[in-house]
Amino acid sequence: NAGVTQTPKFQVLKTGQSMTLQCAQDMNHNSMYWYRQDPGMGLRLIYYSASEGTTDKGEVPNGYNVSRLNKREFSLRLESAAPSQTSVYFCASSLYPGQGTDTQYFGPGTRLTVL
Amino acid sequence: GENVEQHPSTLSVQEGDSAVIKCTYSDSASNYFPWYKQELGKGPQLIIDIRSNVGEKKDQRIAVTLNKTAKHFSLHITETQPEDSAVYFCAASKSSSASKIIFGSGTRLSIRP
Repeated sequence: NAGVTQTPKFQVLKTGQSMTLQCAQDMNHNSMYWYRQDPGMGLRLIYYSASEGTTDKGEVPNGYNVSRLNKREFSLRLESAAPSQTSVYFCASSLYPGQGTDTQYFGPGTRLTVL
Repeated sequence: GENVEQHPSTLSVQEGDSAVIKCTYSDSASNYFPWYKQELGKGPQLIIDIRSNVGEKKDQRIAVTLNKTAKHFSLHITETQPEDSAVYFCAASKSSSASKIIFGSGTRLSIRP
């Protein structure tokens, strides 16, 4: 049982390049999330998927798109990377769909640098 | 929307002493308050949580208290050990928030030997 896995662990992009961050969970969870973590700002929600087939914007969605590929996988895409998107990205999952009081389990993170 | 403030941003305590981290929230409808620990290079991990129908919860050396009237909650770590060194995040959410949890800005706790 690997929990939540993320690839890649590290990535360096040039401004304007695109990339997709991958996330998968093997806990049969319904809800999945993407956060970014910046120094002194905690974790901010980018997008979430309360259940398979649905996605919704979080606090900071601009410049990102997501795909809930199936129940296990939730990807985050940067279409045209900007230096402001330099951050550490975390994927998380929780069991119950659409419940804000459900425990979230986090992956190890992807450290992204945009030059 | 909900706003969570966390203090202090850094905290250094002597090994064996207690550490206290405090958070305040703005949305009186919030009813779930988890605490996460993040070790260097890893993702946050839930260490304890409390729901609004409870005032205090303990798990070995860790305790959390909640004051709904004042809208603040605190994490208490007693008999601190070197492995307690990490960044700690408080958070708040509510049942109707459709999976959204709002996090505080984090506290970097260092344990001095």
